[in-house]
Amino acid sequence: AQSVTQLDSQVPVFEEAPVELRCNYSSSVSVYLFWYVQYPNQGLQLLLKYLSGSTLVKGINGFEAEFNKSQTSFHLRKPSVHISDTAEYFCAVSESDSWGKLQFGAGTQVVVTP
Amino acid sequence: EAQVTQNPRYLITVTGKKLTVTCSQNMNHEYMSWYRQDPGLGLRQIYYSMNVEATDKGDVPEGYKVSRKEKRNFPLILESPSPNQTSLYFCASSSTGSSPLHFGNGTRLTVT
Repeated sequence: AQSVTQLDSQVPVFEEAPVELRCNYSSSVSVYLFWYVQYPNQGLQLLLKYLSGSTLVKGINGFEAEFNKSQTSFHLRKPSVHISDTAEYFCAVSESDSWGKLQFGAGTQVVVTP
Repeated sequence: EAQVTQNPRYLITVTGKKLTVTCSQNMNHEYMSWYRQDPGLGLRQIYYSMNVEATDKGDVPEGYKVSRKEKRNFPLILESPSPNQTSLYFCASSSTGSSPLHFGNGTRLTVT
C-alpha cells in the first residue's frame, strides 16, 4: 500500500521569496501524484498532477512540481510567493492499478508575510 | 454550476444518535469518496465508490457506512456516532483516476 510523507508541517516565507514544499511517497507500483491547496474554510482545489511523461509538471498560480522516481519525491515549488498563497498544501498519491484509493499527506501550512 | 454539495455544513449531535451526511454532485461523475480531516493528520479516506452499487473501504472505515444507489448521491452514515468521530468531513467526486477531485465545502461534525 502507498504512503505519503510531507516533511514540513509549517513553512513561513516572505512575500516574493521562493518556496519549496517537500513530499515523499512509498509504493511498489507506478503512482499518480497530486498537489492540492486548501484555503481557509474551503474544500481542496487541485494545483497540479503527475500521471506519466515529463517529470516537471506545471500547475495553476505559478506552481510547479518535479517527480523524482529514484528519490520517490514530488516536491512543489513556486519562485515568488504572494500573500494570497497563504494556505495549507496537501500532497496525495494513488497507485495506478487501484486509483480509487487516494492517500493524502498530513499537509504543509504556508504562511506568507510581507 | 458544477459542484459537490454537502449537507449540513455544521452538525452537533450526541453519542449514539444515528446521523446521515448527504453528498450530491451534478457532474455525472463515476467516482465519489469521503474523507475526514483532522489536525496534523491531513485527509484520510473513509470510503470510496467507483460507480453505482460499487463501494470500497478506504483507510478509516470503522464506524461509517455508505451507499451508492444513484450516480449523483453518496451519503455517509454514522449508525452510532462516538466522540472520536468529531471531525471535518469532505465529500469529493471525479470522472476518472487521472481527473482532479472536486470537493464539497465540508461538514463539521461534533459528537458530544
